[in-house]
Formats: sequence, structure tokens, C-alpha cells
Amino acid sequence: SSELTQDPAVSVALGQTVRITCQGDSLRSYYASWYQQKPGQAPVLVIYGKNNRPSGIPDRFSGSSSGNTASLTITGAQAEDEADYYCNSRDSSGNHLNVVFGGGTKLTVL
Amino acid sequence: EVQLVESGGGLVQPGRSLRLSCAASGFTFDDYAMHWVRQAPGKGLEWVSGISWNSGSIGYADSVKGRFTISRDNAKNSLYLQMNSLRAEDTALYYCAKAYHDYDSSGYYYFLFDYWGQGTLVTVSS
Repeated sequence: SSELTQDPAVSVALGQTVRITCQGDSLRSYYASWYQQKPGQAPVLVIYGKNNRPSGIPDRFSGSSSGNTASLTITGAQAEDEADYYCNSRDSSGNHLNVVFGGGTKLTVL
Repeated sequence: EVQLVESGGGLVQPGRSLRLSCAASGFTFDDYAMHWVRQAPGKGLEWVSGISWNSGSIGYADSVKGRFTISRDNAKNSLYLQMNSLRAEDTALYYCAKAYHDYDSSGYYYFLFDYWGQGTLVTVSS
């Protein structure tokens, strides 16, 4: 198995830009996907692949990757973006079904 | 509209068993791998297990290997998780999730969970 590491908490002023990062060896081979989870709700996919947004996700959300680090950027953060964010990727075990999540980043919008 | 509805959670004593179910609708169930993901109270997401479209490939997290068994019935559009020898640390909200994976134009692999259920709560306590 492998691990994905995220900062536990990040804050951003309303309307500013924030980057949430995810580090792990598996990210050298596989893209991360990113999920937003608000209290009492199921996770929602916000970014996948190189930089793809599912239908309905605002274009202020974007993704990037370099080496062993994937990043989720929110450009012009809104109050409704306050949530927990998780990265996810296939792990390095060789079984394509084995995946791993980062520990999550709690985003506070000030 | 894609729907994933989990059921089967509840309060169970340590060492006992429980079987979770996930009823899927709104997509061609037997075209996709399916997974279970759990979240302990106040904690992050933890992948539990995944199964390929035809049950030919299966994966488990180390924390549940040998105790949990994933299965599916494509004729019933249903996913299952048989949980044996339950421990207090298995207490969590268990989500059923639909998976998708592909390769982009550069040949890089990507994986995602595009739909999630609302979860079923499993509490392991004496």
C-alpha cells in the first residue's frame, strides 16, 4: 500500500486563492482525484485526471500535478467552499482496485 | 439519475458479523467497479474494498483483509460487504461508491469515485 499526505488545515480570506496539496509516491504514476465534503454530507468529486471538473463544479476549482505532489487550487474562494477536502489515487500495490485517500484538509474561509 | 442506497448498518457487539448492502440504479451497474469507503466519527475517509465489474478482481485494505468480504450481484444491481469479527475500530459510516478509471491522452492513469451513497452507520460496541 502507499500513503497520501495532506496538511490538516488551511485557511483563506474570502475571494483569495488557496492551494491544497497532496503528496505521495503513487502520484508519480497516477493522477489524484479530489473530493469536497461538507458536514453531514457525502463526498463530492470536484477534480479528476490532469485537470477535469465534473459537470456542476465551478471553474474556480482547478487541479495540477508535479512529481509526487498533486494540488487543488481554488481561485477566488467563496464562503460555500468551506469544507474538508480529500485527495485519492490508485495505490502502488499492483492491484488496480486498491486505492488510498489522503488524511484530508479542513479549509476555513475567513 | 444515479442512486446508491446503502443499508444493513446498526449496533453490533465486538466479534459479531454484519452484512451491508448497496442498491444501485440509474446506470449500467455491471459496467463499473464498485467500492466501499468508510469514515469513522470525526475522522477522514478510508478505502475499505473494491470489486471489478465481473467480480474477477477484488481488493481490500490491510485493516479489513481476512475479515471482510466484498461481493456483487449484477442481476440485482447490488453490492455487498460481509463484515466478520468486527472490532470497535470498525465503527464508521460506510459509503458505497461507483468507480471510474481511464487513461488520458498522454497515457496517464486516472481513477475517481463519481457517485457516492449517503452511507450506513455501523457501530461496534458491547
